[in-house]
Amino acid sequence: AQKITQTQPGMFVQEKEAVTLDCTYDTSDPSYGLFWYKQPSSGEMIFLIYQGSYDQQNATEGRYSLNFQKARKSANLVISASQLGDSAMYFCAMRPLNAGGTSYGKLTFGQGTILTVHP
Amino acid sequence: NAGVTQTPKFQVLKTGQSMTLQCAQDMNHNSMYWYRQDPGMGLRLIYYSASEGTTDKGEVPNGYNVSRLNKREFSLRLESAAPSQTSVYFCASSERGDADTEAFFGQGTRLTVV
Repeated sequence: AQKITQTQPGMFVQEKEAVTLDCTYDTSDPSYGLFWYKQPSSGEMIFLIYQGSYDQQNATEGRYSLNFQKARKSANLVISASQLGDSAMYFCAMRPLNAGGTSYGKLTFGQGTILTVHP
Repeated sequence: NAGVTQTPKFQVLKTGQSMTLQCAQDMNHNSMYWYRQDPGMGLRLIYYSASEGTTDKGEVPNGYNVSRLNKREFSLRLESAAPSQTSVYFCASSERGDADTEAFFGQGTRLTVV
């Protein structure tokens, strides 16, 4: 079974500053993918960034980067230069990448972190 | 492209009533998912379909049934709704279950059971 833990129910950041949202995971699968999604107050789920467990480098997408520490089983999201529009719920998720096993194909989410950006 | 379309967007049911939530995707994806979202619980997987004709239970399948009608459509049925099933339901799809591609989500269905 796989499990995602986001220990920060809420985070606050000043506009233009950077913020790190924590995500730790537990899995017995040898290869897996890690995802971050944003859910604004309107409710839609927006994909932000992906990191494969086999990737040598940390993923980056614009102002988003993923601080991936495989040995510590953490995949923290870093948002640089925060904007008011970044205020939203953020979810970390993972999925095994190998066929077979009870978790095959299942995308598992954490509890989420609500980020509030102050002007 | 519409992506993932869910219907209805809102629904109020009385305890014991049944209903089917519809989901369709036009991206030719193989994998489809049903999640429920409750405050403080994140998104919890109800059922998963790796491909047409296959379904698998997720974390919280009790009280639900699913049907993968064809590659495009994946429906979720509540046979006898209970207040504990009040939630926001999301359908999602991805290219393959073992792929490194993201899942695309519908807009959600807000269901209230009274």
